Amino acid sequence: TQLLEQSPQFLSIQEGENLTVYCNSSSVFSSLQWYRQEPGEGPVLLVTVVTGGEVKKLKRLTFQFGDARKDSSLHITAAQTGDTGLYLCAGARLTGGGNKLTFGTGTQLKVEL
Amino acid sequence: DAGVTQSPTHLIKTRGQQVTLRCSPKSGHDTVSWYQQALGQGPQFIFQYYEEEERQRGNFPDRFSGHQFPNYSSELNVNALLLGDSALYLCASSLGRGYQETQYFGPGTRLLVL
Repeated sequence: TQLLEQSPQFLSIQEGENLTVYCNSSSVFSSLQWYRQEPGEGPVLLVTVVTGGEVKKLKRLTFQFGDARKDSSLHITAAQTGDTGLYLCAGARLTGGGNKLTFGTGTQLKVEL
Repeated sequence: DAGVTQSPTHLIKTRGQQVTLRCSPKSGHDTVSWYQQALGQGPQFIFQYYEEEERQRGNFPDRFSGHQFPNYSSELNVNALLLGDSALYLCASSLGRGYQETQYFGPGTRLLVL
Protein backbone atom coordinates (compact mmCIF):
# COMPACT_ATOMS: atom_id res chain seq x y z
CA THR A 1 0.00 0.00 0.00
CA GLN A 2 1.35 3.40 -0.96
CA LEU A 3 1.24 5.83 1.90
CA LEU A 4 1.69 9.57 1.87
CA GLU A 5 2.49 10.97 5.28
CA GLN A 6 1.92 14.65 5.89
CA SER A 7 3.37 16.71 8.70
CA PRO A 8 2.40 18.44 10.77
CA GLN A 9 -1.11 17.06 11.18
CA PHE A 10 -2.35 20.29 12.78
CA LEU A 11 -0.94 23.80 12.64
CA SER A 12 -2.25 26.93 14.34
CA ILE A 13 -0.40 30.16 13.62
CA GLN A 14 -0.81 33.93 13.68
CA GLU A 15 -1.42 35.96 10.55
CA GLY A 16 1.86 37.04 8.97
CA GLU A 17 3.85 33.96 10.00
CA ASN A 18 5.49 31.57 7.55
CA LEU A 19 4.89 27.82 7.52
CA THR A 20 5.94 24.66 5.70
CA VAL A 21 3.93 21.48 5.22
CA TYR A 22 5.69 18.26 4.27
CA CYS A 23 4.45 15.29 2.28
CA ASN A 24 6.60 12.14 2.33
CA SER A 25 6.36 8.69 0.78
CA SER A 26 8.50 5.64 0.17
CA SER A 27 6.97 5.32 -3.31
CA VAL A 28 7.72 7.18 -6.50
CA PHE A 29 4.87 9.05 -8.12
CA SER A 30 4.44 10.24 -11.70
CA SER A 31 3.16 13.56 -10.41
CA LEU A 32 2.10 15.11 -7.14
CA GLN A 33 -0.77 17.45 -6.56
CA TRP A 34 -1.66 19.77 -3.70
CA TYR A 35 -5.28 20.49 -2.83
CA ARG A 36 -6.98 22.74 -0.31
CA GLN A 37 -10.32 21.75 1.16
CA GLU A 38 -12.74 23.85 3.18
CA PRO A 39 -15.49 22.42 5.39
CA GLY A 40 -18.43 21.04 3.42
CA GLU A 41 -16.65 21.30 0.09
CA GLY A 42 -14.57 19.09 -2.17
CA PRO A 43 -10.79 19.51 -2.53
CA VAL A 44 -9.69 22.31 -4.88
CA LEU A 45 -6.48 21.82 -6.86
CA LEU A 46 -3.69 24.28 -6.07
CA VAL A 47 -0.84 22.90 -8.17
CA THR A 48 0.56 19.84 -9.96
CA VAL A 49 4.30 19.12 -9.93
CA VAL A 50 5.71 16.59 -12.34
CA THR A 51 9.50 16.85 -12.63
CA GLY A 52 11.86 15.87 -9.82
CA GLY A 53 13.27 19.02 -8.21
CA GLU A 54 10.54 21.18 -9.71
CA VAL A 55 9.56 24.35 -7.86
CA LYS A 56 6.30 26.19 -8.55
CA LYS A 57 5.08 29.43 -7.05
CA LEU A 58 1.48 30.53 -6.69
CA LYS A 59 1.47 34.02 -5.12
CA ARG A 60 2.52 33.41 -1.49
CA LEU A 61 2.60 29.61 -1.90
CA THR A 62 5.74 27.75 -3.01
CA PHE A 63 5.60 24.07 -3.92
CA GLN A 64 8.58 21.77 -4.38
CA PHE A 65 8.79 18.21 -5.68
CA GLY A 66 11.67 16.14 -4.36
CA ASP A 67 14.45 15.07 -6.70
CA ALA A 68 13.41 11.41 -6.38
CA ARG A 69 9.71 12.27 -6.84
CA LYS A 70 8.86 10.70 -3.47
CA ASP A 71 8.26 13.81 -1.39
CA SER A 72 7.03 17.37 -1.64
CA SER A 73 6.68 20.51 0.43
CA LEU A 74 4.34 23.46 0.53
CA HIS A 75 5.64 26.74 1.96
CA ILE A 76 3.30 29.65 2.72
CA THR A 77 4.78 33.08 3.25
CA ALA A 78 2.99 35.67 5.40
CA ALA A 79 -0.05 33.51 6.08
CA GLN A 80 -3.49 35.09 6.00
CA THR A 81 -6.74 34.05 7.66
CA GLY A 82 -8.04 33.07 4.22
CA ASP A 83 -5.36 30.35 4.05
CA THR A 84 -7.20 28.40 6.75
CA GLY A 85 -8.22 24.95 5.55
CA LEU A 86 -7.24 21.31 5.11
CA TYR A 87 -4.20 20.92 2.86
CA LEU A 88 -3.89 17.59 1.06
CA CYS A 89 -1.10 16.22 -1.07
CA ALA A 90 -1.94 13.49 -3.56
CA GLY A 91 0.37 11.31 -5.59
CA ALA A 92 -0.66 10.16 -9.05
CA ARG A 93 0.39 6.94 -10.72
CA LEU A 94 -0.70 5.76 -14.11
CA THR A 95 -1.92 2.20 -13.51
CA GLY A 96 -4.44 0.03 -15.32
CA GLY A 97 -4.82 2.70 -17.96
CA GLY A 98 -5.96 5.39 -15.56
CA ASN A 99 -4.61 7.90 -13.11
CA LYS A 100 -5.31 6.97 -9.51
CA LEU A 101 -4.70 9.48 -6.75
CA THR A 102 -3.32 8.43 -3.37
CA PHE A 103 -4.01 11.16 -0.84
CA GLY A 104 -1.91 12.14 2.13
CA THR A 105 -3.18 12.21 5.69
CA GLY A 106 -3.85 15.96 5.52
CA THR A 107 -2.66 19.06 7.38
CA GLN A 108 -5.29 21.17 9.10
CA LEU A 109 -4.12 24.79 9.07
CA LYS A 110 -5.71 27.52 11.16
CA VAL A 111 -4.52 31.11 10.74
CA GLU A 112 -5.69 33.56 13.40
CA LEU A 113 -5.53 37.34 13.62
CA ASP B 1 -19.46 25.80 -17.64
CA ALA B 2 -20.81 23.63 -14.81
CA GLY B 3 -18.28 21.88 -12.67
CA VAL B 4 -18.71 18.48 -11.07
CA THR B 5 -22.09 18.11 -9.41
CA GLN B 6 -23.21 15.52 -6.88
CA SER B 7 -26.54 14.57 -5.40
CA PRO B 8 -27.86 14.43 -2.80
CA THR B 9 -25.80 16.78 -0.64
CA HIS B 10 -26.73 15.02 2.60
CA LEU B 11 -28.22 11.64 3.36
CA ILE B 12 -29.18 9.74 6.52
CA LYS B 13 -29.61 5.96 6.42
CA THR B 14 -29.79 3.14 8.92
CA ARG B 15 -27.60 0.07 9.17
CA GLY B 16 -28.36 -2.58 6.58
CA GLN B 17 -29.96 -0.21 4.11
CA GLN B 18 -28.72 0.51 0.60
CA VAL B 19 -27.78 3.89 -0.83
CA THR B 20 -27.17 5.35 -4.30
CA LEU B 21 -25.11 8.50 -4.84
CA ARG B 22 -24.96 10.35 -8.15
CA CYS B 23 -22.30 12.37 -9.96
CA SER B 24 -22.27 14.45 -13.12
CA PRO B 25 -18.78 15.14 -14.44
CA LYS B 26 -17.38 18.42 -15.68
CA SER B 27 -18.31 19.12 -19.27
CA GLY B 28 -16.00 17.29 -21.66
CA HIS B 29 -14.66 14.84 -19.08
CA ASP B 30 -15.02 11.10 -19.65
CA THR B 31 -13.59 9.60 -16.46
CA VAL B 32 -15.17 9.52 -13.02
CA SER B 33 -13.44 8.51 -9.79
CA TRP B 34 -15.08 8.01 -6.41
CA TYR B 35 -13.44 8.63 -3.03
CA GLN B 36 -14.47 8.16 0.59
CA GLN B 37 -13.31 10.75 3.11
CA ALA B 38 -13.69 10.15 6.82
CA LEU B 39 -13.79 13.19 9.07
CA GLY B 40 -10.38 14.86 9.38
CA GLN B 41 -8.65 12.44 6.99
CA GLY B 42 -7.59 12.40 3.36
CA PRO B 43 -9.86 10.86 0.72
CA GLN B 44 -9.50 7.13 0.01
CA PHE B 45 -9.85 5.88 -3.57
CA ILE B 46 -12.86 3.60 -4.13
CA PHE B 47 -12.89 3.05 -7.90
CA GLN B 48 -12.67 4.74 -11.28
CA TYR B 49 -14.94 4.44 -14.31
CA TYR B 50 -13.98 5.03 -17.92
CA GLU B 51 -16.01 4.14 -21.01
CA GLU B 52 -18.74 2.68 -18.78
CA GLU B 53 -16.38 0.15 -17.20
CA GLU B 54 -14.61 -0.03 -13.86
CA ARG B 55 -10.97 0.60 -14.72
CA GLN B 56 -9.38 0.57 -11.27
CA ARG B 57 -10.49 -0.31 -7.76
CA GLY B 58 -9.18 0.52 -4.30
CA ASN B 59 -9.37 -1.61 -1.16
CA PHE B 60 -13.12 -1.51 -0.67
CA PRO B 61 -15.45 -4.52 -0.27
CA ASP B 62 -17.88 -5.69 -2.92
CA ARG B 63 -20.66 -3.87 -1.06
CA PHE B 64 -19.39 -0.83 -2.93
CA SER B 65 -20.34 -0.92 -6.59
CA GLY B 66 -20.76 1.62 -9.33
CA HIS B 67 -21.93 2.38 -12.78
CA GLN B 68 -21.13 4.84 -15.54
CA PHE B 69 -23.71 5.87 -18.10
CA PRO B 70 -23.18 6.74 -21.79
CA ASN B 71 -23.32 10.46 -20.90
CA TYR B 72 -20.37 9.83 -18.51
CA SER B 73 -22.41 10.46 -15.35
CA SER B 74 -21.91 7.90 -12.62
CA GLU B 75 -23.52 6.28 -9.61
CA LEU B 76 -22.01 4.82 -6.46
CA ASN B 77 -24.04 2.13 -4.71
CA VAL B 78 -23.37 0.87 -1.21
CA ASN B 79 -25.26 -2.18 0.07
CA ALA B 80 -25.74 -3.43 3.63
CA LEU B 81 -24.63 -0.14 5.16
CA LEU B 82 -22.41 -0.19 8.24
CA LEU B 83 -21.88 2.56 10.79
CA GLY B 84 -18.33 2.87 9.47
CA ASP B 85 -19.61 3.85 6.05
CA SER B 86 -20.50 7.28 7.44
CA ALA B 87 -18.29 9.70 5.51
CA LEU B 88 -18.10 12.34 2.81
CA TYR B 89 -18.25 10.68 -0.60
CA LEU B 90 -16.44 12.63 -3.28
CA CYS B 91 -16.69 12.31 -7.02
CA ALA B 92 -13.91 13.57 -9.27
CA SER B 93 -13.89 13.86 -13.04
CA SER B 94 -11.02 14.01 -15.48
CA LEU B 95 -9.96 13.21 -19.02
CA GLY B 96 -8.77 9.62 -19.00
CA ARG B 97 -5.65 10.23 -20.98
CA GLY B 98 -2.76 9.98 -18.52
CA TYR B 99 -1.26 10.67 -15.14
CA GLN B 100 -1.06 14.41 -15.64
CA GLU B 101 -4.78 14.78 -16.13
CA THR B 102 -6.16 16.89 -13.33
CA GLN B 103 -9.05 15.51 -11.30
CA TYR B 104 -11.75 18.05 -10.45
CA PHE B 105 -13.80 17.31 -7.37
CA GLY B 106 -17.45 17.86 -6.63
CA PRO B 107 -18.72 19.16 -3.29
CA GLY B 108 -19.44 15.65 -2.04
CA THR B 109 -22.34 13.79 -0.46
CA ARG B 110 -22.32 13.60 3.32
CA LEU B 111 -23.65 10.15 4.36
CA LEU B 112 -24.61 9.41 7.94
CA VAL B 113 -25.42 5.83 8.89
CA LEU B 114 -27.31 5.38 12.17
